[in-house]
Amino acid sequence: NAGVTQTPKFQVLKTGQSMTLQCAQDMNHEYMSWYRQDPGMGLRLIHYSVGAGITDQGEVPNGYNVSRSTTEDFPLRLLSAAPSQTSVYFCASGSRGYQETQYFGPGTRLLVL
Amino acid sequence: KNEVEQSPQNLTAQEGEFITINCSYSVGISALHWLQQHPGGGIVSLFMLSSGKKKHGRLIATINIQEKHSSLHITASHPRDSAVYICAVRPDYGGATNKLIFGTGTLLAVQP
Repeated sequence: NAGVTQTPKFQVLKTGQSMTLQCAQDMNHEYMSWYRQDPGMGLRLIHYSVGAGITDQGEVPNGYNVSRSTTEDFPLRLLSAAPSQTSVYFCASGSRGYQETQYFGPGTRLLVL
Repeated sequence: KNEVEQSPQNLTAQEGEFITINCSYSVGISALHWLQQHPGGGIVSLFMLSSGKKKHGRLIATINIQEKHSSLHITASHPRDSAVYICAVRPDYGGATNKLIFGTGTLLAVQP
């Protein structure tokens, strides 16, 4: 199994540009989520999904969109990039249930100029 | 005030030392996770626990639900243990989701 994969690893955007961060998992996990990690702060939940066709907002959803058309894929879209979205983004997946481990992707480092 | 607090924020140890990292939380939880993040690297789950104690190699994690406190211990520390250790809790108000609340992490440097 490849586990959780993310692309790209690194991206530079100009303010106002849009882009999609890709996340895929091959473990048939129902639960997938996107986090951002900023210096001095814990990871913060952006959006999550409990299954194909179902998404919901996390703690910091503004400026981001998600969709979950398949179990495997959970892309994160930046609609109009802002410097405040400069961060490291992690995708995670896991089986539903409070006793389940979450598996994290390698991260995408995004710089918005 | 953060719902999950870790201490210390930074820790430097000599190789071979016994290390303890603490995590306190203020919400009711159904599970607590300890995660490891190497510099520039991804995040790996070390433990998930809801009671008692778990051990994996030189790592031991304990939790006291009544006191809302967990500790991560590393015995016979080694430079390869140098990483950020992150505590995360699954609040029991999270419903059917696996939402986690994260601490800000403890940066551990083990010197040879």
